[in-house]
Amino acid sequence: AQTVTQSQPEMSVQEAETVTLSCTYDTSESNYYLFWYKQPPSRQMILVIRQEAYKQQNATENRFSVNFQKAAKSFSLKISDSQLGDTAMYFCAFIVNDMRFGAGTRLTVKP
Amino acid sequence: DAMVIQNPRYQVTQFGKPVTLSCSQTLNHNVMYWYQQKSSQAPKLLFHYYDKDFNNEADTPDNFQSRRPNTSFCFLDIRSPGLGDAAMYLCATSRDFGRMYEQYFGPGTRLTVT
Repeated sequence: AQTVTQSQPEMSVQEAETVTLSCTYDTSESNYYLFWYKQPPSRQMILVIRQEAYKQQNATENRFSVNFQKAAKSFSLKISDSQLGDTAMYFCAFIVNDMRFGAGTRLTVKP
Repeated sequence: DAMVIQNPRYQVTQFGKPVTLSCSQTLNHNVMYWYQQKSSQAPKLLFHYYDKDFNNEADTPDNFQSRRPNTSFCFLDIRSPGLGDAAMYLCATSRDFGRMYEQYFGPGTRLTVT
């Protein structure tokens, strides 16, 4: 079975601090893509960052970076210098054929 | 801006009364997807179209149907909504089908069944 687990239903962080969201997944495939999507309140889901499983180098997009541990099937998201606009639901997902999402982590950035 | 648009944003229907949700895209993408997202759960893929080819997920109930009359539009029809069908319905598109293609999401339609 191909599953995604986000073990932190809710998290909070102070503005300007760093927070890490956890994600683990399970697949027997070796070639896949991993994604973090952000869904702000009442707004559409947008892509934050993606990682190809064959690439060992961790992806980085400005304040967002991932820690990809393929052997451990772990794909955590680090948000540095958190901003109020980062408050959102964050979904971890991976795709072999179809996109599989985790249940999400609700992140609140506090002023 | 190129985008994925869903109408309406909120839909209330009665138990058993057919309802249609609409999605349009200006991205000219080949693939369109429909997801169901229940409260505090992961989005679940219902089906997708690759151009005009319809692909149903094995566990999608027969109560859910879809139409894609042209590249830009895709509809989700729920023939006889039950209380368990209350959810957020997300439409997404991708340029092509495959693991490397990012999916672009619409804002969703929240369906309430009374």
